[in-house]
Amino acid sequence: DADVTQTPRNRITKTGKRIMLECSQTKGHDRMYWYRQDPGLGLRLIYYSFDVKDINKGEISDGYSVSRQAQAKFSLSLESAIPNQTALYFCATSGGQGSYNEQFFGPGTRLTVL
Amino acid sequence: DQQVKQNSPSLSVQEGRISILNCDYTNSMFDYFLWYKKYPAEGPTFLISISSIKDKNEDGRFTVFLNKSAKHLSLHIVPSQPGDSAVYFCAASALGLGAQKLVFGQGTRLTINP
Repeated sequence: DADVTQTPRNRITKTGKRIMLECSQTKGHDRMYWYRQDPGLGLRLIYYSFDVKDINKGEISDGYSVSRQAQAKFSLSLESAIPNQTALYFCATSGGQGSYNEQFFGPGTRLTVL
Repeated sequence: DQQVKQNSPSLSVQEGRISILNCDYTNSMFDYFLWYKKYPAEGPTFLISISSIKDKNEDGRFTVFLNKSAKHLSLHIVPSQPGDSAVYFCAASALGLGAQKLVFGQGTRLTINP
């Protein structure tokens, strides 16, 4: 079974709709992240959480919100979707004792806003 | 302002030859660097990393070189295999930025030709 799962894998929605993307992990990591990938721009950090009570804005948080429901669950919401939020969204986790740790990514959610 | 840049969107290499992927960065605070590999419809997977206290790290067919004075790193794959065809992202991190935050380049699509 996958260690980091994302639902849905694909979603088409309309402008103005509220949408939630969900992420779950079984790695036991305390740190979770949401990124979006756009062609030619790589991955950009939206929000990150270092534990259940810690939520931080990333590089491009405008138009998004998050909820850390439990150590294993981190959801991303678009309150009122707009077409330029069409992108590939990735959840990631990291943990361990060191200062630097690799991040483990989910399979991604392809979101299209019409 | 793109702090991590991969200036080659694509690279084509013959099977068995060396693949060299390049990455430049502008922020001198970066002190840890990672390479990720991404196949279509999958999330990025960690490949290899290097700390700024080193100038080379090797793992099987993969070697990462770091030139701090030039703010440049490269990933060498020798010999290249068809399964190496993927998009490669370099990423950078720094304690001053929050050690677990990664800044990604735009990605380079590597194609290995038989």
